[in-house]
Amino acid sequence: GAVVSQHPSRVICKSGTSVKIECRSLDFQATTMFWYRQFPKQSLMLMATSNEGSKATYEQGVEKDKFLINHASLTLSTLTVTSAHPEDSSFYICSARQGASGNTIYFGEGSWLTVV
Amino acid sequence: GENVEQHPSTLSVQEGDSAVIKCTYSDSASNYFPWYKQELGKRPQLIIDIRSNVGEKKDQRIAVTLNKTAKHFSLHITETQPEDSAVYFCAAYGGATNKLIFGTGTLLAVQP
Repeated sequence: GAVVSQHPSRVICKSGTSVKIECRSLDFQATTMFWYRQFPKQSLMLMATSNEGSKATYEQGVEKDKFLINHASLTLSTLTVTSAHPEDSSFYICSARQGASGNTIYFGEGSWLTVV
Repeated sequence: GENVEQHPSTLSVQEGDSAVIKCTYSDSASNYFPWYKQELGKRPQLIIDIRSNVGEKKDQRIAVTLNKTAKHFSLHITETQPEDSAVYFCAAYGGATNKLIFGTGTLLAVQP
């Protein structure tokens, strides 16, 4: 199946700093990528939908100025957590939809963020 | 927007028994319903999916049924094994927003 790579897998940062997470589709073009956050023992909550070449669409309650999303190419989307705080510590995971109309969605490996 | 509910939140079965997890969705325009298995700290793994033009799909010990009228779909695992123990998520995709929305998850424990 298609491969989505996410990096870094684990990151620890100091409170107040920014962290960038990358999501790449390795063998297909992804016009749409999704970013999720998952707290322990909870479900995956959609944060935003990232469309190549346009602004991301954020879910209600997600601060767009804090979680910056850039989808500059058909194979790369990035999530930057700005001015990180301990409550931002979570498992962040991206997914990519294969094709403009296809429904098959592939997930990255996820990134564990710990803010100290 | 789409809302997906999932039951039960925890399910314990004896090895060899069947397990059933049920989900309902709210957006009648959703047209793709995948099921994922997630182990702690790892990405969700697609185990089976069904599209809205099909009522049932089976893959070895796993089957999924879809009732579009009632807007619910179910995962059936037969002859459960300890390695089936994990968290299972249903999801719904499509509709007006083309987003993949997850259910709340079911922790399945298969007792040897």
